[in-house]
Amino acid sequence: GESVGLHLPTLSVQEGDNSIINCAYSNSASDYFIWYKQESGKGPQFIIDIRSNMDKRQGQRVTVLLNKTVKHLSLQIAATQPGDSAVYFCAEKWGGKLIFGQGTELSVKP
Amino acid sequence: KAGVTQTPRYLIKTRGQQVTLSCSPISGHRSVSWYQQTPGQGLQFLFEYFSETQRNKGNFPGRFSGRQFSNSRSEMNVSTLELGDSALYLCASSLGVSEDEQFFGPGTRLTVL
Repeated sequence: GESVGLHLPTLSVQEGDNSIINCAYSNSASDYFIWYKQESGKGPQFIIDIRSNMDKRQGQRVTVLLNKTVKHLSLQIAATQPGDSAVYFCAEKWGGKLIFGQGTELSVKP
Repeated sequence: KAGVTQTPRYLIKTRGQQVTLSCSPISGHRSVSWYQQTPGQGLQFLFEYFSETQRNKGNFPGRFSGRQFSNSRSEMNVSTLELGDSALYLCASSLGVSEDEQFFGPGTRLTVL
């Protein structure tokens, strides 16, 4: 079936540390992946994306890694800040549809 | 430019009723997608409309339907509401080309009593 799952439902980090959020996807035919951030009371917000012909992509303080061999996706946040506290979702695009993971809640301790 | 807007933001209905939710995409965006978000099932794709035509559909019963107007605004309708339909319904708009970024609205919180 189609499913995208996350290894850790919650993650607590100290302010200034790096955060790593992991995601497993099941459809090897998926060719586009996105990370979203959702704050309380808001809709998901695009963070970064990556296509299947890449294995790494960097943005501002964020890096996404894609390992197609094991169907694994990760989001790295450098120097995590209190404003990074939110739920993070990975999503894969397959058959024209976005399939989301369950989400990981990131909590940043000051 | 204005973001995606959804109305109403909150809605309370009773079982058996029907409901219509509205979404206004970002100006110039031709694709509107709808998602249901619940604590148990997470974010699930409902359907996508592009140029007034349904382009993709998720695995939801026929009680869930939608449409898109010529100005790209979209509505979704849920008939014969069930308790399990209580959720946050999110709308996202995009230009409509492959792999372009989707911009989400704040959602409509539907509670079915």
